[in-house]
Amino acid sequence: QQPVQSPQAVILREGEDAVINCSSSKALYSVHWYRQKHGEAPVFLMILLKGGEQKGHEKISASFNEKKQQSSLYLTASQLSYSGTYFCGTATYSGAGSYQLTFGKGTKLSVIP
Amino acid sequence: EPEVTQTPSHQVTQMGQEVILRCVPISNHLYFYWYRQILGQKVEFLVSFYNNEISEKSEIFDDQFSVERPDGSNFTLKIRSTKLEDSAMYFCASSTRQGWADTQYFGPGTRLTVL
Repeated sequence: QQPVQSPQAVILREGEDAVINCSSSKALYSVHWYRQKHGEAPVFLMILLKGGEQKGHEKISASFNEKKQQSSLYLTASQLSYSGTYFCGTATYSGAGSYQLTFGKGTKLSVIP
Repeated sequence: EPEVTQTPSHQVTQMGQEVILRCVPISNHLYFYWYRQILGQKVEFLVSFYNNEISEKSEIFDDQFSVERPDGSNFTLKIRSTKLEDSAMYFCASSTRQGWADTQYFGPGTRLTVL
């Protein structure tokens, strides 16, 4: 069951903030956030392993609400370089000690001058 | 900085042919993965591999697909009897620990075009 991301797309002016949400219908063991620019491989941003965990990377941060089975990615004071498609990957237990990372459909973020 | 490498960067093949996509994971990583991304769509999990065997596979990974670690460095994805719908970007990834608990580093991908 893939996680659901919202919004599907967002356009920002430089300096504006954005929030990207990721929710799952299944219990989550971790949430991974990636950014992918057109024609390139996904680039890891951060991983959240515990409910309530929050992490930051410069002006990009994320939170993980384990009970609500959701995570949010916060981008503050956006820069042109933030443009790309953001994917959340949710790790769920698939039995027999195995876990699977399933990605959402992505949120296309465009930052304009 | 260590990185995952993949060859070739672009593979064009005729429908029905077999292709082998190659990956060299980061050297101290133990878990390996293949993902597929059809143009404009999301990244889809295909298979994970640990200790020389498949640890998890998706519904996409049917008998048409196989993976192998033929030596200590390469990790390959074989697609038999390719179909038009196999056209996609294929990403290899690796991690030190099991994927749910650790960063998966992606390679640059191989673009497969089936004609």
